Amino acid sequence: GIQVEQSPPDLILQEGANSTLRCNFSDSVNNLQWFHQNPWGQLINLFYIPSGTKQNGRLSATTVATERYSLLYISSSQTTDSGVYFCEIQGAQKLVFGQGTRLTINP
Amino acid sequence: DSGVTQTPKHLITATGQRVTLRCSPRSGDLSVYWYQQSLDQGLQFLIQYYNGEERAKGNILERFSAQQFPDLHSELNLSSLELGDSALYFCASSAHLGGTEAFFGQGTRLTVV
Repeated sequence: GIQVEQSPPDLILQEGANSTLRCNFSDSVNNLQWFHQNPWGQLINLFYIPSGTKQNGRLSATTVATERYSLLYISSSQTTDSGVYFCEIQGAQKLVFGQGTRLTINP
Repeated sequence: DSGVTQTPKHLITATGQRVTLRCSPRSGDLSVYWYQQSLDQGLQFLIQYYNGEERAKGNILERFSAQQFPDLHSELNLSSLELGDSALYFCASSAHLGGTEAFFGQGTRLTVV
């Protein structure tokens, strides 16, 4: 089945820093999404991005489907950005999640 | 608000018991997915339904079962519960089988004591 690898597994930054999270996948996919799981456990949709580049405020994402990777950029980090960021791939039928990147933003 | 509704939000039950988790997908979405997230673990795919039919199975235990009803809501039944079944259970929905955005409910936090 499709393999999804996220890096780095953990990231600790100071408020105001920028970060880049990476998602590599092993096969062609129907779509790709980025989620943020906040400290209360909620999964919040960030981007639906099977290809190309999208931006939403301080966050942006790029997926290069032909090279099987996606990047999530967070600029000017805030403490509320803390949590786990998941990349999710939709293969033939099921949704496959990476193991996540745990981001901690210190004030 | 994702539009996906899961009930109950919290559930505490004893070992050996049976519980039912309910999921109402977003209006118009035909596909429903169930996931389990144990403490500090990733999201483990359990099962997927599309328009009432089972379409894919993941690491779902035999003690667990699910179904999707004609009104498209779905239920996940967990029986003979064990301490290790304590987890956050998520439901997600998407419009079709593939190539469409998936939205997650707020989850049901199950604690088995």
